[in-house]
Amino acid sequence: KNEVEQSPQNLTAQEGEFITINCSYSVGISALHWLQQHPGGGIVSLFMLSSGKKKHGRLIATINIQEKHSSLHITASHPRDSAVYICAVYLSGETSGSRLTFGEGTQLTVNP
Amino acid sequence: KAGVTQTPRYLIKTRGQQVTLSCSPISGHRSVSWYQQTPGQGLQFLFEYFSETQRNKGNFPGRFSGRQFSNSRSEMNVSTLELGDSALYLCASSLQGARYEQYFGPGTRLTVT
Repeated sequence: KNEVEQSPQNLTAQEGEFITINCSYSVGISALHWLQQHPGGGIVSLFMLSSGKKKHGRLIATINIQEKHSSLHITASHPRDSAVYICAVYLSGETSGSRLTFGEGTQLTVNP
Repeated sequence: KAGVTQTPRYLIKTRGQQVTLSCSPISGHRSVSWYQQTPGQGLQFLFEYFSETQRNKGNFPGRFSGRQFSNSRSEMNVSTLELGDSALYLCASSLQGARYEQYFGPGTRLTVT
């Protein structure tokens, strides 16, 4: 079982729709990141969370540490939001070392 | 500030050769992390350097190595290339480390034939 599970794997929406992408993890973490990757490979960091909720423009990210779950919401989606969204958790371990572990990503397509 | 730069952007090598990739972080950032992205395995952590010291290493064979210089620029080296090493190699820099916000470079696309 992957340490980080994202759902859905693929998501198609109409412009203006409210979008939610979910991320669940199975181990204790010290931080969670949401990343955006456009075709061509460039990755942009959207949020880093260790608790609570953050908002930036039309993007909102929440994390529930007890339930080991995070969500990324996009309000009033737009075709330019089409990208792969990746959840990554920062694991701190004495035996395994500290490292970012990534989910498989969610391919979002927003149609006009 | 200039962003993270990686050179070269594209590279074609043959099996058995070795390759060196370079990453220049954002000015003032002391942490550089390297990642491998393949269609089958997704994004995987290779290693993290902070102030010239390797702080963490992912689960990759010893053919993968790296270093960081006093100006925070970093290189990674892959020796005895295998077909499975074909991937997008990304570096990311951060002020304090990979736990915190990172800024990614555009990546180096390596093809091994």
